[in-house]
Amino acid sequence: GAVVSQHPSRVICKSGTSVKIECRSLDFQATTMFWYRQFPKQSLMLMATSNEGSKATYEQGVEKDKFLINHASLTLSTLTVTSAHPEDSSFYICSARGGGNAEAFFGQGTRLTVV
Amino acid sequence: DAKTTQPPSMDCAEGRAANLPCNHSTISGNEYVYWYRQIHSQGPQYIIHGLKNNETNEMASLIITEDRKSSTLILPHATLRDTAVYYCIVPPRKTYSGAGSYQLTFGKGTKLSVIP
Repeated sequence: GAVVSQHPSRVICKSGTSVKIECRSLDFQATTMFWYRQFPKQSLMLMATSNEGSKATYEQGVEKDKFLINHASLTLSTLTVTSAHPEDSSFYICSARGGGNAEAFFGQGTRLTVV
Repeated sequence: DAKTTQPPSMDCAEGRAANLPCNHSTISGNEYVYWYRQIHSQGPQYIIHGLKNNETNEMASLIITEDRKSSTLILPHATLRDTAVYYCIVPPRKTYSGAGSYQLTFGKGTKLSVIP
């Protein structure tokens, strides 16, 4: 299957700082990328959907000013968690679809811990 | 939206076939059934998808009933590395578009434990 690379895999940051997570499609052009969040023992929750060159569409309850999503190219999307707080600690996962694929492929996830 | 129902957990002996059921009785005629799995602390992995006909790939087989109201994912020879949470997902047809921006909504899935 297609490869989606997410970086970093783990990050620890201080409360009040910002963290950027990158998601790259390595062997296909991702016309659409998705960002999910997963808390312990829970399922993945969709945060936002972004099409290349367009503003992201956020799910209800997700603060767009706190979770900044940029999808400036067909192979790269970034999620920036601004002014992070301990309650933002979670597993963040990106997904990408495109290149004629009917299925979406996922990155390996980023474990964010805010201290 | 076509809601899916899966058993919360299943056990399977190593080397035996694992049959994971999914009920999607409200599926529309042109909505696909997708299966993903998530091994602990990793991103989900695509397994297979289908519309009407049974599908098979190197990972699994997907059997869809004739009325399309349910399906079964079959792992023919389960190994310990197949221990994971398996998700059956039917993306809403309304979220399809020319750009392919269908959305995957994850339920609780089935936790499959492969036992030595």
